[in-house]
Amino acid sequence: GNSVTQMEGPVTLSEEAFLTINCTYTATGYPSLFWYVQYPGEGLQLLLKATKADDKGSNKGFEATYRKETTSFHLEKGSVQVSDSAVYFCALSVLDSSYKLIFGSGTRLLVRP
Amino acid sequence: DTGVSQDPRHKITKRGQNVTFRCDPISEHNRLYWYRQTLGQGPEFLTYFQNEAQLEKSRLLSDRFSAERPKGSFSTLEIQRTEQGDSAMYLCASSLSGQGYGYTFGSGTRLTVV
Repeated sequence: GNSVTQMEGPVTLSEEAFLTINCTYTATGYPSLFWYVQYPGEGLQLLLKATKADDKGSNKGFEATYRKETTSFHLEKGSVQVSDSAVYFCALSVLDSSYKLIFGSGTRLLVRP
Repeated sequence: DTGVSQDPRHKITKRGQNVTFRCDPISEHNRLYWYRQTLGQGPEFLTYFQNEAQLEKSRLLSDRFSAERPKGSFSTLEIQRTEQGDSAMYLCASSLSGQGYGYTFGSGTRLTVV
């Protein structure tokens, strides 16, 4: 079946530290992969996406590369800010006509000044 | 375009009561999805529409749940005879058709059943 596994949080970092949030997936075929972010009290926002192997999605200093060989889509940022504190969700798009998303359980990031 | 709107933002209801939530998607998006999110978990798929047709329902969607999207515009999600286990955030999202398109989510309706 289709599933997404994320590293458990919370992840606590100091401002300007390097961030990695691990995400691996199980799917039939090659789904599209996404990272969504949920700030406190807000809805989910699409952060970045990649639609095929070796694609790199990037946005707001965040990057993730679609790795087919390791079935991974790890999220990275070189220097985090306090404003990056949020919950991050990795997701895949199911390869049928529904295009529904399967989400991981989320990873809370807390950045301290 | 103001994005995806959901109403109400919060709903507290007594067990056994019926509740209805509304979602207004982005106007040019033909797909509309409902998800449920419980504390500490990622969103779980409930159902989706392409235009006015409801094309798939999750096994999570019991007979007490019904969703409609008349005329392919806004959608409603009704829960009858609410139970405490229905307490969750109900998220609506819309998108264009196609695997590579991400969704635009609304801010959600938080339901508390007391």
